[in-house]
Amino acid sequence: SQTIHQWPATLVQPVGSPLSLECTVEGTSNPNLYWYRQAAGRGLQLLFYSVGIGQISSEVPQNLSASRPQDRQFILSSKKLLLSDSGFYLCAWSGQGRTGELFFGEGSRLTVL
Amino acid sequence: GNSVTQMEGPVTLSEEAFLTINCTYTATGYPSLFWYVQYPGEGLQLLLKATKADDKGSNKGFEATYRKETTSFHLEKGSVQVSDSAVYFCARRPTGNQFYFGTGTSLTVIP
Repeated sequence: SQTIHQWPATLVQPVGSPLSLECTVEGTSNPNLYWYRQAAGRGLQLLFYSVGIGQISSEVPQNLSASRPQDRQFILSSKKLLLSDSGFYLCAWSGQGRTGELFFGEGSRLTVL
Repeated sequence: GNSVTQMEGPVTLSEEAFLTINCTYTATGYPSLFWYVQYPGEGLQLLLKATKADDKGSNKGFEATYRKETTSFHLEKGSVQVSDSAVYFCARRPTGNQFYFGTGTSLTVIP
């Protein structure tokens, strides 16, 4: 069966520090991969998605970046965090085709101080 | 466009009450439709889905019917429980790789 893991689960970072969140998927190949952010009490904002290794689509201009160095690995990064980067970050994957659903990771809670 | 509009919350119900959370979408092509549930501090879990017109998705007593004529996918449950307290998200996948989510509806069920 397929599984998705992301880490770390919780982190507290000072403003201006770097960020790296990692997500891996097991049990499937060539998944579509996604990073979402959920600000407190708000809906989901799609940040990046990827349909293959090295292929990244950015939905919202910001100081975050994403990379997909391997088929089932998706990394969210920042060189310098802002206060506004605080939130709950969710990694997700889906199969190809329009009927497949998204499968979400457990989430990573980022607090920037 | 590709928007999903769902009922504003928060919603508070007594245990065993009937639940409806409205969801409408912008009609572009033939999307697949989903309801996700998020319990506090967790990621989203798929609750149910429907992939074509008139399909009914169901799970854990929840149901939603894909209504193409009204571009709606309303979530219903006949008798809610305290354990159903969560945030519910409606979503659509029009074609290809993108998913579009509503803003979420918070449900609190009181004993």
